[in-house]
Amino acid sequence: VQLQESGPGLVKPSQTLSLTCTVSGGSISSVSYYWSWIRQPAGKGLECIGRIYSSGSTMYNPSLKSRVTISVDTSKNQFSLKLSSVTAADTAVYYCARVVVAGLFFDYWGQGALVTVSS
Amino acid sequence: QSVLTQPPSLSGAPGQRVNISCTGSISNVGAGYGVHWYQQLPGTAPKVVIYGNSNRPSGVPDRFSGSKSGTSASLAITGLQAEDEADYFCQSYDSSLSGVVFGGGTKLTVL
Repeated sequence: VQLQESGPGLVKPSQTLSLTCTVSGGSISSVSYYWSWIRQPAGKGLECIGRIYSSGSTMYNPSLKSRVTISVDTSKNQFSLKLSSVTAADTAVYYCARVVVAGLFFDYWGQGALVTVSS
Repeated sequence: QSVLTQPPSLSGAPGQRVNISCTGSISNVGAGYGVHWYQQLPGTAPKVVIYGNSNRPSGVPDRFSGSKSGTSASLAITGLQAEDEADYFCQSYDSSLSGVVFGGGTKLTVL
């Protein structure tokens, strides 16, 4: 299984950050997995942004919930992240990852995409 | 402030054993949710080295082991090697937050 993030590396303040994760080597429709976005500011820890099931059901981090939308496109084996009204505090490496439903842990990760919020 | 507490840094000499602790509460580790550990080498994505408290994925050396008791968990690395120098994060699920939570990470230095 491989995951690959794609999207703009630079976003202006107040705009919307958009990233897509393409999954290969496995089906995003599998009942055994969720699909998640995690971010990591430089030199800091990991923060789970949210997750989505292939059915479209989502769960978001309460601290980001008002600004986050995660969606899935099973026909393309992709899922996406939109984070609105970004500020410099949203500058981070954004990872997509597969979540094992049975244990709620991340077994496969993308390589990460650095997104910088700056004018 | 992370929900799970880890020491910021640890060090050990080659061949030694180190233990990285992860302290939670009754709404996460103490509630029976599994604790998972990730190794993050510089410039790379995290990689799971222990899942479900003590299970090792295929390909992870048996020098890595995990345990859990009460509201705390621990990652042990024996026979420390230079290649083990990395950041290590613990992770669990929190019922009061209804979401996945991470520790702040421990930077392991091999002397």
